[in-house]
Amino acid sequence: QQQVKQSPQSLIVQKGGISIINCAYENTAFDYFPWYQQFPGKGPALLIAIRPDVSEKKEGRFTISFNKSAKQFSLHIMDSQPGDSATYFCAAKAGAGSYQLTFGKGTKLSVIP
Amino acid sequence: EPEVTQTPSHQVTQMGQEVILRCVPISNHLYFYWYRQILGQKVEFLVSFYNNEISEKSEIFDDQFSVERPDGSNFTLKIRSTKLEDSAMYFCASSGQGGTQYFGPGTRLTVL
Repeated sequence: QQQVKQSPQSLIVQKGGISIINCAYENTAFDYFPWYQQFPGKGPALLIAIRPDVSEKKEGRFTISFNKSAKQFSLHIMDSQPGDSATYFCAAKAGAGSYQLTFGKGTKLSVIP
Repeated sequence: EPEVTQTPSHQVTQMGQEVILRCVPISNHLYFYWYRQILGQKVEFLVSFYNNEISEKSEIFDDQFSVERPDGSNFTLKIRSTKLEDSAMYFCASSGQGGTQYFGPGTRLTVL
């Protein structure tokens, strides 16, 4: 019940295309859903985050779509660039005073010119 | 921009030895965390620390692990007797009241 399932495992997108990464969860107590970007040899860096009372959040080329009833959320990267090539992790934080993040298994995105 | 720092970047140790991984969280943050990432796998929560005590820990964080904030700036993770399966990237993170966690660059621990 604590799991966050992420797909696909890897993704290849042409430059300028849209990258879409999906996550699903079971635990309805999760109250915060961040996406992290990780480059090789680096720590995860917060990209964008959403709370379940909002269905969509956009920051520049990055958009989170959130479907509370389906317990799914997704990251869309518009106009994907080679510099976006990285591993992306979705995560979820359990509510009620917990700060523990549960991560998905990650998606390795490659944006080709 | 403030950032979490970690030392060393790479630690090699023999099985059974003790290791201490060090972190300097962002200065005005109150919540501190350790996560680990085994090569090619997802990031896993180990422990959270607030007000000088552990607030949460995972099943991974057994009696071989301990955390400490020995002074006003450092936050450490100690592994008393390392095992081969402890080989991983260890990330420190910190957060303020808002809860957003900022991660350090990690320490790669290799147990031989």
